[in-house]
Amino acid sequence: AQSVTQLDSQVPVFEEAPVELRCNYSSSVSVYLFWYVQYPNQGLQLLLKYLSGSTLVKGINGFEAEFNKSQTSFHLRKPSVHISDTAEYFCAVSDRGSGTYKYIFGTGTRLKVLA
Amino acid sequence: GAVVSQHPSRVICKSGTSVKIECRSLDFQATTMFWYRQFPKQSLMLMATSNEGSKATYEQGVEKDKFLINHASLTLSTLTVTSAHPEDSSFYICSARGGSTNEQFFGPGTRLTVL
Repeated sequence: AQSVTQLDSQVPVFEEAPVELRCNYSSSVSVYLFWYVQYPNQGLQLLLKYLSGSTLVKGINGFEAEFNKSQTSFHLRKPSVHISDTAEYFCAVSDRGSGTYKYIFGTGTRLKVLA
Repeated sequence: GAVVSQHPSRVICKSGTSVKIECRSLDFQATTMFWYRQFPKQSLMLMATSNEGSKATYEQGVEKDKFLINHASLTLSTLTVTSAHPEDSSFYICSARGGSTNEQFFGPGTRLTVL
């Protein structure tokens, strides 16, 4: 069965420092991968997605992620964070061709950017 | 881009009453809509998947008689929480997809508080 692991529940980082939020998944089939950001009391905003092609995916707000099939990972990175990046980040996976189009979400990582 | 709206954004109701939440795709035809539930500081849990014109498919552990889902058109799905109780208080988020894409587009969420 599919699962998504976000090992870090909280990540504190100083402003302008780089950050990496980790995401590992388990699936026996090819997948689509997504990263979302959620601000308090709001819905999900898509940061970036991997559907096919280049394994390095660039998203909004300076975020990028790299799909590593051998390590079944899709870690999110940003070279220099801002206070406004403080939010909850969710990784999600969806099986290709399953016909259900379901997403499985990770448990989330709370990024706290410190001044 | 694809926009999904939810109404209402917040609702407070008394225990024992029913509450209806609407999810609309504003600029595309949503073949499939999904309903999620999110408890405070937790991830999104898929409740059910609905395809236009057919019965919803509920995830294990979700009471279909309590959470009634109707997907009457390609742009509208509704979730009715029947005989709501305080433990049903949560953030409910819908998403929609159309065509052959796996990508889901998320609504802004509805905060339900049952007194």
